[in-house]
Order: sequence, then C-alpha cells, then structure tokens
Amino acid sequence: NAGVMQNPRHLVRRRGQEARLRCSPMKGHSHVYWYRQLPEEGLKFMVYLQKENIIDESGMPKERFSAEFPKEGPSILRIQQVVRGDSAAYFCASHDSLGQDEQYFGPGTRLTVT
Amino acid sequence: QQQVKQSPQSLIVQKGGISIINCAYENTAFDYFPWYQQFPGKGPALLIAIRPDVSEKKEGRFTISFNKSAKQFSLHIMDSQPGDSATYFCAASRGTSYDKVIFGPGTSLSVIP
Repeated sequence: NAGVMQNPRHLVRRRGQEARLRCSPMKGHSHVYWYRQLPEEGLKFMVYLQKENIIDESGMPKERFSAEFPKEGPSILRIQQVVRGDSAAYFCASHDSLGQDEQYFGPGTRLTVT
Repeated sequence: QQQVKQSPQSLIVQKGGISIINCAYENTAFDYFPWYQQFPGKGPALLIAIRPDVSEKKEGRFTISFNKSAKQFSLHIMDSQPGDSATYFCAASRGTSYDKVIFGPGTSLSVIP
C-alpha cells in the first residue's frame, strides 16, 4: 500500500526556468492538496484539486503558478520563470472520499533556484 | 481569522520530562484539529487529532487537551524521548468538508539525554 509519492525529491533550477513537480496520491484517493514550506516556516496551503477539477486555489500566487490533476496520471504543480523566492519544499497531500479527515503527506520536493 | 497561533517556537526538554505545546485559533468553523510531526527532510506525519466534541484525547504518550470556549488546544508529550526530537505543527481545518489544513508556524522540540 504505497503512500503519497512525489518526484523529483530534489530539483535545482536556474532563474527563469520552469519547474514541474509531480504527485501521485495514495491508491484510491481522488483529492490532492499542494502546500509550500519556506525555510523555518509552517506549511502554507496552495491549491486543492479533485480529478480534472480545481476546487480551491486561494493560496496560489496569481502569476507563474498552475496546477492540474488529470483523469489519468499524477497531479502536476508547474512554476514558470522561477525566481529565488520560489525556493522551498513543496508537499503534496491526498485524501480519500470516504469522509475520513486525515490528509496523508508525501515526502516533498525541495526546489532550489540558483 | 484563518490563522493558527502556536507557541513556543522552540522547546528543550530533558529526557523523561513533559513537553507542552500550545495553540490557539479564531475561526469557529474549524472542527478538526490535527497535530503533525515532521523530521528533517521528511513530510509531515499525523500524530494525533481531535474534534471539538471532546476535551481530551490520549494516544500512548501523546495527549491533546482542547478548550472550545477559549479556542485553545495543546499537545502534551509525556516521558519525552530523544527520538521525539522533531518539529511539531498544530493545525485546523473544517474536516467534514474536505477543506485545506491551516498549519501553525511549528515548534522545534529537542529532547536532551
């Protein structure tokens, strides 16, 4: 019973490049959440998706950031034209559809922008 | 109103002692209060959680105390061990509506032998 999987675990990008972060939820989970953790800070919600739908993107920066969760395949968080301030750990969590409360977190992708 | 406050920022406890972390919230719509434990380089893992219909929940050495009227809750770690050294986050959400989790800023706990 694999947990939430994220890849890559570490990603280095130069300023101006694009970063793509992938998240495969736990088997049977159709709800995915993305959070960002800046150094020495707590996790901040970014976006909540169900299959093919964005439910809540109130935490997403208005520019350069986008997310999707297609019918097939992993959820993708895309950051275009990265800047140094995007350097952070990005965590994905998944949730089932059975009314359970817990969100299960992946190991995170640590993005470094040079 | 979406904020969850947490204190202290860091905590040093002797092995065998009690670690206490306190949190407070404003949004009365929150109805699910989890605590997460995070080790360096890892994702947060659920430690214990409580709903506001109970005032206390205990699981092993970990106890959550909940004061609904004061909108405060706390984590007590009894008989703290060096292996408990980690960052602890309190959090809140409207659990029944698949809502986002709002995290506190975290407490870095060090348990010294």
